[in-house]
Amino acid sequence: AQSVTQLGSHVSVSEGALVLLRCNYSSSVPPYLFWYVQYPNQGLQLLLKYTTGATLVKGINGFEAEFKKSETSFHLTKPSAHMSDAAEYFCAVSIFSGGYQKVTFGTGTKLQVIP
Amino acid sequence: DGGITQSPKYLFRKEGQNVTLSCEQNLNHDAMYWYRQDPGQGLRLIYYSQIVNDFQKGDIAEGYSVSREKKESFPLTVTSAQKNPTAFYLCASSIRRGASNQPQHFGDGTRLSIL
Repeated sequence: AQSVTQLGSHVSVSEGALVLLRCNYSSSVPPYLFWYVQYPNQGLQLLLKYTTGATLVKGINGFEAEFKKSETSFHLTKPSAHMSDAAEYFCAVSIFSGGYQKVTFGTGTKLQVIP
Repeated sequence: DGGITQSPKYLFRKEGQNVTLSCEQNLNHDAMYWYRQDPGQGLRLIYYSQIVNDFQKGDIAEGYSVSREKKESFPLTVTSAQKNPTAFYLCASSIRRGASNQPQHFGDGTRLSIL
């Protein structure tokens, strides 16, 4: 079984400030980890993914995330927030289970950027 | 450009009516998925399909049905048995069945409401 916990359903930051969105997971097998972004009334877009190799992963739009196995965390960061970063962000865990790709999504964090 | 097309963008259902949501992809992906999104609940898996003429129930399949007659198409029917159908429905695909290290690609969703 696997689960994803995103701490904070809403996060507010000032424009230019650090963005930190938290994600913790649990999984019975080594998982693959993803962050997606969703703008209003749109689908999810992939920001970045961790599969194997380097634990610090860089994604689009200046975002990055670090996989910490000992902490079972995959927090998303961006050094300087931009107004266009206002959206909802989803962390997801993917494993191979029962012959198919099983993806579990967190409940999402809405990021508000204050000018 | 390749992608996933969902239609219609908005749909209204009357009591006792079945409605069908369309999902078409031109990415040549093997696997396709339907998710339901409710505020604060993340994404929940309704049905998935890894090959033509085969599909499996997800976590919340009751009141829904699907077909996969063509690789490109995976329509979802919301039946009258689904008593709370108001939600945002997302279709997704991934390149290869069982490849849990691959991200899912999403359409822009259909918002279903009750009249």
